[in-house]
This record gives sequence, structure tokens and C-alpha cells, in this order.
Amino acid sequence: QKEVEQDPGPLSVPEGAIVSLNCTYSNSAFQYFMWYRQYSRKGPELLMYTYSSGNKEDGRFTAQVDKSSKYISLFIRDSQPSDSATYLCAMSVSGGGADGLTFGKGTHLIIQP
Amino acid sequence: NAGVTQTPKFQVLKTGQSMTLQCAQDMNHEYMSWYRQDPGMGLRLIHYSVGAGITDQGEVPNGYNVSRSTTEDFPLRLLSAAPSQTSVYFCASSETGGSGNTIYFGEGSWLTVV
Repeated sequence: QKEVEQDPGPLSVPEGAIVSLNCTYSNSAFQYFMWYRQYSRKGPELLMYTYSSGNKEDGRFTAQVDKSSKYISLFIRDSQPSDSATYLCAMSVSGGGADGLTFGKGTHLIIQP
Repeated sequence: NAGVTQTPKFQVLKTGQSMTLQCAQDMNHEYMSWYRQDPGMGLRLIHYSVGAGITDQGEVPNGYNVSRSTTEDFPLRLLSAAPSQTSVYFCASSETGGSGNTIYFGEGSWLTVV
């Protein structure tokens, strides 16, 4: 069993829909959880950064962490074609990455105009 | 502001050749790292450095060498390239390796070993 599981998709939704992206993990020592967006032929770009359990909202994006279930989610409201990208979840024990980030495989998201 | 700069962006190597992927950051970050990204595998940590003169191995270090002589630069060396090293390589940096610090990635280097 991989440490972080993420459905690779593709996930295709119409413009304006609410998108839900998820990851599960097995290492209970993870305390810092991140979502990165990666456009084709580009580097990952940090979207959301969350410590421990709870919710965090930033504009159209909401990140949720449930440590008891080892499950994290990213919600995108009012999705736009420009949101089409691969979304990577990442997590670490120490936060800044001194122990390295453990990534999911990424979910390829397509927003249909 | 340049952020994290990687060169070259694309490279084709023959099996057995050696080469160096360059990474430079202009944010005075202490922490730098190298990841490789393969289809179906996600990003995996190769090597990292928490400051000049200090390096350590990540998840997949075999076949790669690093050094950190300055804060700004963190080159990744392929000692004897193998087809299994065909991948996309990303350099990353953050202010420190501690909690709460954003990790910034470069644009990537696409390497093909034939």
C-alpha cells in the first residue's frame, strides 16, 4: 500500500460545478497537508497549506483535513476552464519539507466550457 | 523575480553519459531539494539540502549526486545515465526546512536517456 493514494482521473466536469478532489494516506505522523496545482509542462504551484485537522478557505478553494480518517479534500467552487490542471496532494511530518514531501500521483481535472 | 531557475529545460543523453542539472534560487532560501516525476508515480524526493555544505538522501538517491557549495545553487549530477532515469526533474526551495514554510518549485527539466 502506497503512503498516499490519489485517483489519477481524468475528472471532467462542466464549468461552474463544484469539484471535489481527495487523497487518503496511511502514515499517521503526517501533520502538514498541501495541495499543488500543476499545469502541463510546468512546475507544481502551491494552492493550499494546512496544519493538522480542520478546514481552510481561500477564495474559491477549500481544503479539509480529517486526520482521524486519514483523508484530505480540496473543493473548488464555481470551477473555471482555467482550473483545468493536475492537482497534487502532498504531506509531510515536519511541514517545511526537511523530511521531504510525500506526494499523491495527482488528479487530472478538466473543466468543460 | 526569478524564483527557482532550472537549466537545461530539455536534454537527451546516451546511456552511460554524465551530466549536471543546474538549479539556482534567488530568494536566499536555506532548504533546497530535487524531485523526479514519473507517470503514475507522482513526485519522489531524490536529495535535499538544509543549508550550504549539508546534503542528505531522499527516497530515490541511487545514480545521483549533489553538492551545496553556496546557498543559491544546488546542482544534481547523473553519474552514468540509464534509461530508468528518463524523467522530469524538479528543483524546489523553501526559506527553511521547518514548519509553515512554502516550498517553491522550478519549471522542470525534461531528461530522456536513450
